[in-house]
Amino acid sequence: DAKTTQPPSMDCAEGRAANLPCNHSTISGNEYVYWYRQIHSQGPQYIIHGLKNNETNEMASLIITEDRKSSTLILPHATLRDTAVYYCIVGFGSGSARQLTFGSGTQLTVLP
Amino acid sequence: NAGVTQTPKFQVLKTGQSMTLQCAQDMNHNSMYWYRQDPGMGLRLIYYSASEGTTDKGEVPNGYNVSRLNKREFSLRLESAAPSQTSVYFCASSEVDRSPNKNIQYFGAGTRLSVL
Repeated sequence: DAKTTQPPSMDCAEGRAANLPCNHSTISGNEYVYWYRQIHSQGPQYIIHGLKNNETNEMASLIITEDRKSSTLILPHATLRDTAVYYCIVGFGSGSARQLTFGSGTQLTVLP
Repeated sequence: NAGVTQTPKFQVLKTGQSMTLQCAQDMNHNSMYWYRQDPGMGLRLIYYSASEGTTDKGEVPNGYNVSRLNKREFSLRLESAAPSQTSVYFCASSEVDRSPNKNIQYFGAGTRLSVL
């Protein structure tokens, strides 16, 4: 029972902003939105998280709509090294482990 | 700051052999996790440890055991490896946050295991 919907793939030109959308229409009021990425054969890498407000860090910006039913991860100046699968995660799996549930994600390909 | 370190990076086993995957974190995190990732699929939780001295089963615990040796280290043991355990194994750790809905996990580079 997926809690998030992401496009399976996107392309972006090097140096341009990459905008990755995520729908999470069933999000609960106290659930965070997390973004991770996984570069081929590497461990997942935490990018950013948010609850209600927009967030920015050294890697990316996270824009969350006012109704919290969708969000957008923005990589302001994409480089070839940003090519990866990007996962939008809302809440945790069932049980007390608070494990992250990774769906299919979006394969972002940054083109030279 | 190394973060989460996993050893070995690669391992090939024969069916029935045993081995232990090691994981250590230097971020003073309380919680640690073991996931497996099969080709083209998401991560599935094997075991986790909410704090030193405690361990609990995750989604796919069969065929595995774990030990939380101390706050830094969390090992995963395969007692009798099977081809179905061929996978990439990731260890993660997270800090305990007062918000029950906040849990930022940091991952190691993974151990690629093949069981023949």
